[in-house]
Amino acid sequence: NAGVMQNPRHLVRRRGQEARLRCSPMKGHSHVYWYRQLPEEGLKFMVYLQKENIIDESGMPKERFSAEFPKEGPSILRIQQVVRGDSAAYFCASSPRNREMNTEAFFGQGTRLTVV
Amino acid sequence: GENVEQHPSTLSVQEGDSAVIKCTYSDSASNYFPWYKQELGKRPQLIIDIRSNVGEKKDQRIAVTLNKTAKHFSLHITETQPEDSAVYFCAASMNTGFQKLVFGTGTRLLVSP
Repeated sequence: NAGVMQNPRHLVRRRGQEARLRCSPMKGHSHVYWYRQLPEEGLKFMVYLQKENIIDESGMPKERFSAEFPKEGPSILRIQQVVRGDSAAYFCASSPRNREMNTEAFFGQGTRLTVV
Repeated sequence: GENVEQHPSTLSVQEGDSAVIKCTYSDSASNYFPWYKQELGKRPQLIIDIRSNVGEKKDQRIAVTLNKTAKHFSLHITETQPEDSAVYFCAASMNTGFQKLVFGTGTRLLVSP
């Protein structure tokens, strides 16, 4: 089992460009979560998705940020018109369909976005 | 919403000593409390977790205690080793059918040989 795969590991974008971050969940996992970690801070929940559905996006900024998890392919976190404050590590986590509540979520290695 | 506070922000111990990290949470509906270890530049890795129907859980040198009445939980590491040096995060989540974790701000643990 390859684990949660995120790419790219590092991404540099100039202000105003778009950033696309990809996450492939662990095999058999149908729940994907995105978290953002600013330097020297804890992780902050952004969005929770199941295949083709956004379940909870309460942590997503209202503008410029969007997420999807299509029927085929990885989950994508898209940041349009990036600004310096978007520089952070973005972690994806996945968990299996909850046969019981609160099963462990497995994190990917993260994408470190730097906006210059 | 839920708020998780974590103390201390940094902790330095000598190899072989014990380390204790404490967290408090605000929402009594939270019922799942994992602890993650994050080494520099790497992913958070689950080291131990506890659910609200249990007061204590132990796994070798690591233990977690939960006081639901006081809404706090603690991580205990005994016989610390230099490889325990990392940032440790506590988190809390409610029984909502999916895992929306609220993280503490982290504790940087340094174990000196």
